[in-house]
This record gives sequence, structure tokens and C-alpha cells, in this order.
Amino acid sequence: EVQLVESGGGLVKPGGSLRVSCAASGFTFSNAWMNWVRQAPGKGLEWVGRIKSKTDGGTTDYAAPVKGRFTISRDDSKNTLYLQMNSLKNEDTAVYYCVTPWWVGASLIDYWGQGTLVTVSS
Amino acid sequence: NFMLTQPHSVSESPGKTVTISCTGSSGSIASNYVQWYQQRPGSAPTTVIYEDNQRPSGVPDRFSGSIDSSSNSASLTISGLKTEDEADYYCQSYDSNNQVFGGGTKLTVL
Repeated sequence: EVQLVESGGGLVKPGGSLRVSCAASGFTFSNAWMNWVRQAPGKGLEWVGRIKSKTDGGTTDYAAPVKGRFTISRDDSKNTLYLQMNSLKNEDTAVYYCVTPWWVGASLIDYWGQGTLVTVSS
Repeated sequence: NFMLTQPHSVSESPGKTVTISCTGSSGSIASNYVQWYQQRPGSAPTTVIYEDNQRPSGVPDRFSGSIDSSSNSASLTISGLKTEDEADYYCQSYDSNNQVFGGGTKLTVL
């Protein structure tokens, strides 16, 4: 069973930094493309970025609002995904979800973690 | 930039059928798969439709997805509505390999 467990959320001041993590199990993490999606309080879902598997190049892509401030990385030896957030702004306040498309038969289905809340406030 | 537009809210009575639309802003919505997610209050989203019209194991066959190229839109149809279907529903697709979400539709079953 695919399981994604985020951690590391909390309260941080504007301009500060925070790293959140996503521990994965139940699938071959090293072969998976991993995404971060966020949801501001009372708002909709917003894609943050993605990292490909190392076999597919390990490259990252980011949404425009976070590009240059956020960095996605992975440690395949620990089955863990990271999101390093720098120069945080009030508008980065959100629940951050780890999401992976994983194989069911010949198809890819998105699996979601339970999320971790990041609050940016002075 | 490619955008997906959903109605803000829909409501229907138990036992009835409701359809939620998701309209692409440009290009062809049929060019990439569309997914649908259900998010109940206080919970993380879960996938109810993938690859336009496929249901994951455990999702009732009351849920169905479709694509209409003529209107450049995708639709989620829920038949035999139950109170447990009350939730927010989001469509999702791709733009240059990046994910794009619709703004979400609040379904009220009353």
C-alpha cells in the first residue's frame, strides 16, 4: 500500500526558512516522480513543483510563485522527499502535500499524503 | 498559461445525478489526461477518476468521467447522490509537463 507521510511543518517568520519532508513506503520510491502541492487556508490546490526519478534525469520543475525560493530534493536511500523553503512570505502559508503518481497495472494513479501545515507569520 | 475553470459550487438532492464541468482555457483538453480528486472537509484529496474516465479500486461506479472535445471540457458525473459525496472536487491536467488544477467545486447534497 502506497503511504506518504509529511512532517516538519510549523510557524516561521517572513523571510525565514523551513524544510518539510515526506517519508514514502509501499512502492519503489527511487523509480517515482514526486510532487509537492499546497493548499492555502480556504483555497484550492496549487502545484508547487516536481522532481523526476534519477533514471529519468532527476530534474526539477517549479511553479512560478516559488521558483528561485523553493528547492525539491530526494534521498532514495531513505525513501524521503524534501522541500526546502527559503525567503518565505505570508502567502506561502498552506498545507503542503506530497503527491506521487504510481503504477496500478498499466496506469498511473496519484497518491496523496495527509499534508503538513506551514504558517508564515510575524 | 493553460487554466482549468470549474463552477464554484453545485447542489443537488440525494439520489439525483450531478455533473461538474472543467473547461480548458486553450489548446485541446484531450491532449493530456484529466484527473479528478475528492476532498472531504479536514482531509487530504483522494483520486476518484484518473486518465479521463478510469476509477481507482474502491471508488463506486456512481462516479464517472468524460471528455468533450467540442467544448474543450472534462466532466465528473456522480449518480445516485449520497450525503457522503458532499465534498470539494478538483480537476487536474498538465501544461508543458507541469500540473494544473481547476479552482475546485463545492458539492452540496441537500
